[in-house]
Amino acid sequence: QKEVEQDPGPLSVPEGAIVSLNCTYSNSAFQYFMWYRQYSRKGPELLMYTYSSGNKEDGRFTAQVDKSSKYISLFIRDSQPSDSATYLCAMSAWSGYSTLTFGKGTMLLVSP
Amino acid sequence: ETGVTQTPRHLVMGMTNKKSLKCEQHLGHNAMYWYKQSAKKPLELMFVYSLEERVENNSVPSRFSPECPNSSHLFLHLHTLQPEDSALYLCASSQTRGAGELFFGEGSRLTVL
Repeated sequence: QKEVEQDPGPLSVPEGAIVSLNCTYSNSAFQYFMWYRQYSRKGPELLMYTYSSGNKEDGRFTAQVDKSSKYISLFIRDSQPSDSATYLCAMSAWSGYSTLTFGKGTMLLVSP
Repeated sequence: ETGVTQTPRHLVMGMTNKKSLKCEQHLGHNAMYWYKQSAKKPLELMFVYSLEERVENNSVPSRFSPECPNSSHLFLHLHTLQPEDSALYLCASSQTRGAGELFFGEGSRLTVL
């Protein structure tokens, strides 16, 4: 079983839709969870960072962690064409970034 | 502009060539990283440097040779590569190895013929 599972997509939605992106993981020691956004021909950039279980909201983005189910989600409200990108989940057992385990990424396409 | 600059952006090389990838960060960070991103695979950490010392080498073949002459510059020297080494090579930096956001460069797209 892979440590982090993420559906590669592509996920196609119309503008204004609510988007749900998800990752599952197997290592119960993970407690730091991140979402990175990667535009085409660019490097990843940190979008959301959460520690342990719970929700975190930042504008149109909400990150949710359910450690009991080993499941994390990123919700995007009122999706825009500019949200079209690949979204990578990443997680770590400690706060050291050199130990991050990444998912393969989900490609999101938001059509006008 | 993330403050991490990678050159060249694209590189095509034969299996017997020697080339180098360069990374420069303008953020005053102390830790620098090389990652490999292949199609349909997760990001793979290759090397970590903290204060110019290599602190991690994730079982990377010796045909990849990193060099960190100072805390702002990181190189990846490439020699006798294989076609399966074709990928996007991403450089990243963070304030310290143990904490702080990872800032990525735009990557160097490598094709090995």
